[in-house]
Amino acid sequence: EVQLVESGGGLVQPGGSLRLSCAASGFTVSSNYMSWVRQAPGKGLEWVSVIYSGGSTYYADSVKGRFTISRDNSKNTLYLQMNSLRAEDTAVYYCARDYQGDGDDAFDIWGQGTMVTVSS
Amino acid sequence: DIQMTQSPSSLSASVGDRVTITCRASQSISSYLNWYQQKPGKAPKLLIYAASSLQSGVPSRFSGSGSGTDFTLTISSLQPEDFATYYCQQSYSTRAYTFGQGTKLEIK
Repeated sequence: EVQLVESGGGLVQPGGSLRLSCAASGFTVSSNYMSWVRQAPGKGLEWVSVIYSGGSTYYADSVKGRFTISRDNSKNTLYLQMNSLRAEDTAVYYCARDYQGDGDDAFDIWGQGTMVTVSS
Repeated sequence: DIQMTQSPSSLSASVGDRVTITCRASQSISSYLNWYQQKPGKAPKLLIYAASSLQSGVPSRFSGSGSGTDFTLTISSLQPEDFATYYCQQSYSTRAYTFGQGTKLEIK
């Protein structure tokens, strides 16, 4: 079965760090573009970061310099290292497969999400 | 970054109604426009990709159209399970994806 399972969320103090994991099954993470998307409580979806199959990485301005996306090919797992966390980073974080087709590009597989709460 | 603007922000409709949601991009994005459905407490689900292609398993009452800057999502005959929040998303700029603010579809 093709699926993504996130883990690693929790409560962290402002300025703290957290690493999210996203374990994939049924497909190979390193052969795909993979993204993180977040959703603050009661708010809309916000794209956070992408890692290309070739390894290039890009970030939303709101997290640039604080978050790092990476992957472990041997574990078929995607990560998001979050440092210098702020209250406004509080959200459900989803990982998603970023399917690249012929003239199309869409998030076709999503994990269930993991909640990150930044509060003292 | 490319800004995506959806309208309306919320919509009340009845089972059986035909509903249209619009999405406008701040610059041309060709057909790199996707639509997602999200129900409370659940992950988003891909409905339409490349502006008008129906994702596998999605009912045919959902359809998408448009290109350039203006796009629409249409539900031809609302079913009870369609009441949810809908988001558009541009994938033209793969280094900075953006979503619309969402349209909440509620039962009248």
